Amino acid sequence: SAVISQKPSRDICQRGTSLTIQCQVDSQVTMMFWYRQQPGQSLTLIATANQGSEATYESGFVIDKFPISRPNLTFSTLTVSNMSPEDSSIYLCSVARTVNTGELFFGEGSRLTVL
Amino acid sequence: DAKTTQPNSMESNEEEPVHLPCNHSTISGTDYIHWYRQLPSQGPEYVIHGLTSNVNNRMASLAIAEDRKSSTLILHRATLRDAAVYYCILRDVEGTYKYIFGTGTRLKVLA
Repeated sequence: SAVISQKPSRDICQRGTSLTIQCQVDSQVTMMFWYRQQPGQSLTLIATANQGSEATYESGFVIDKFPISRPNLTFSTLTVSNMSPEDSSIYLCSVARTVNTGELFFGEGSRLTVL
Repeated sequence: DAKTTQPNSMESNEEEPVHLPCNHSTISGTDYIHWYRQLPSQGPEYVIHGLTSNVNNRMASLAIAEDRKSSTLILHRATLRDAAVYYCILRDVEGTYKYIFGTGTRLKVLA
């Protein structure tokens, strides 16, 4: 298994501000992903965090709004920039140990409320 | 990205088997079929995955149709703790390796 710690677990933010979410894994992993889960909805993939290079974003998500860093194989950050109430969601970090491994592990998520 | 279709909700009685269906008619030859579940206020957790053959583990069984266009997650004896949203996912292992979640099935277990 993989133990994933996300910080903050929850926060209340003001419109127009930015917040950075940290994801720390207890061991090296090959793949790291960031998801968003809006209230009552399924998970939407934001991007794949690539170690040492730019993240790969899904359609509808852009680097200016959701900059992602991944400096090593155990850590990644997601920033939600210039927040609006529509950004109120749970943001989840997830990891897979290897490229071909079946199991995806998730952190507990970061619940953001934007006023 | 290949997509999955699941019923929005299902109900089961406690200690009875549950069969959760998933349709994935656009599946490609290299897509693995994954199942995850999400308990209330928690992140998703892995249940099972497979490619072509049926799979069993301590949590569940996965039955895959011969043409791979559908699959069924089987919980052999549902308990109240199995009440969750169950997601069927196709994962491409020759391209992007990403996991795309569908809408999921909310399972309600009745005591």
